Amino acid sequence: DADVTQTPRNRITKTGKRIMLECSQTKGHDRMYWYRQDPGLGLRLIYYSFDVKDINKGEISDGYSVSRQAQAKFSLSLESAIPNQTALYFCATSDTAEVGQPQHFGDGTRLSIL
Amino acid sequence: GENVEQHPSTLSVQEGDSAVIKCTYSDSASNYFPWYKQELGKRPQLIIDIRSNVGEKKDQRIAVTLNKTAKHFSLHITETQPEDSAVYFCAASLTGTASKLTFGTGTRLQVTL
Repeated sequence: DADVTQTPRNRITKTGKRIMLECSQTKGHDRMYWYRQDPGLGLRLIYYSFDVKDINKGEISDGYSVSRQAQAKFSLSLESAIPNQTALYFCATSDTAEVGQPQHFGDGTRLSIL
Repeated sequence: GENVEQHPSTLSVQEGDSAVIKCTYSDSASNYFPWYKQELGKRPQLIIDIRSNVGEKKDQRIAVTLNKTAKHFSLHITETQPEDSAVYFCAASLTGTASKLTFGTGTRLQVTL
C-alpha cells in the first residue's frame, strides 16, 4: 500500500547517535504501529497508538520512543542507537471500523548501526 | 499475552503440489487470524484472514482453517506456483479496543520447478 510511507528507506549510522524514523499515512486510519523484523524472529511489536497522543508499549519497547502528534503521522526514535537495534523496521496502520481490523504495512526502513 | 507458534520454518514443494503451514495460539479469547505474505525485500501483505465465527475460508488457491477448540489454524495453498515462493506469517489478535497482532515467526516457502 503506497498509502503508508516510511522515511528513510535505508539508514546507516553509528552507535550512540539519535535516530528518528518517520511514518505517514493517507488511509485515514486511526491506529498505527511500529514493528521490527529480525531473521527467524518474525515481526515484533515495539509501540502502538490508537489515536493522537495515545501511546502503548509493545513487547520490545526498551530503547525506543514514539510520538503521535497527528493522526497521519507516527514517528519512532532511538535515543542512543546500539548495534543490536540493527533490523528492518515496519510501520503499519489499521482502521477500527474495518472488519477484523487488518493491518496495512509500509515498505520498511532498513537500519544498520555500526 | 498472546503467543503464536508457527511451523514449519522452511518448506520446499514442487510446483503443482500443495503446501500447508500451521499455527497455534495461546489466548482462547483471540478472534481474528490473518495471514501475510512477504516477498523478498517487500512489505508483508495480507492474503487471507478468518474470524473465530468461521471454521474455513477459501480464496481461489488459498484456504485457511480454524480449530478454536485446539487453538490452531492453518494455511493451505493448492497448485503451488513459483510466485508463491515467499515468507508467510500467521498472526492472532482480539479485535476491539485492545486489538494488536501477535505474529508467528514465519515460514519460508520455496516452490521448485
